[in-house]
Amino acid sequence: KNQVEQSPQSLIILEGKNCTLQCNYTVSPFSNLRWYKQDTGRGPVSLTIMTFSENTKSNGRYTATLDADTKQSSLHITASQLSDSASYICVVRAMKTSYDKVIFGPGTSLSVIP
Amino acid sequence: SQTIHQWPATLVQPVGSPLSLECTVEGTSNPNLYWYRQAAGRGLQLLFYSVGIGQISSEVPQNLSASRPQDRQFILSSKKLLLSDSGFYLCAWILGSTHNEQYFGPGTRLTVT
Repeated sequence: KNQVEQSPQSLIILEGKNCTLQCNYTVSPFSNLRWYKQDTGRGPVSLTIMTFSENTKSNGRYTATLDADTKQSSLHITASQLSDSASYICVVRAMKTSYDKVIFGPGTSLSVIP
Repeated sequence: SQTIHQWPATLVQPVGSPLSLECTVEGTSNPNLYWYRQAAGRGLQLLFYSVGIGQISSEVPQNLSASRPQDRQFILSSKKLLLSDSGFYLCAWILGSTHNEQYFGPGTRLTVT
């Protein structure tokens, strides 16, 4: 069964600190993996996309890693800011013969406090 | 540039009443369109997707239905709302390659009372 799991479920960190969010997936056949940021009451916005051949990708203070062998990804946030408070969703895209499909993780709720 | 609109932004409806949520996309043609529901503290659940006018695929059996009367219009409906229909409804679109980003609308917060 195609699944995406994320940990931790929620996280509280002090402003300026770093944090790492985890994503494990069992989606097959794998196409790509995206990390989305969803502010409260808003739609998700893509941060990074990782394909099978990519190990690391950065977008400002966000760095995503992918280990396709262990089917794990992480999102590292450096020097956190109050505006980083949001839900971070790992989304894995699978390939199927008739249509393509995305599987959403449950998200990690991050709170950055002063 | 492409934009995606959803309305209304918030909606409070009694149990048993009908529902119509609308999503429109601008600046693109023949997008794949999606309706998701996000319950409080939960992940996104795919409800319907459409690859073209009049083409609707349902992922989860329920009392909701979807229609795509025009290329860039996607409507989510219900004849009789249930309490369990409360949630945050998101419309999304994607164009072409599977590596393309899925863009989400601002969402509609539905509360069924």
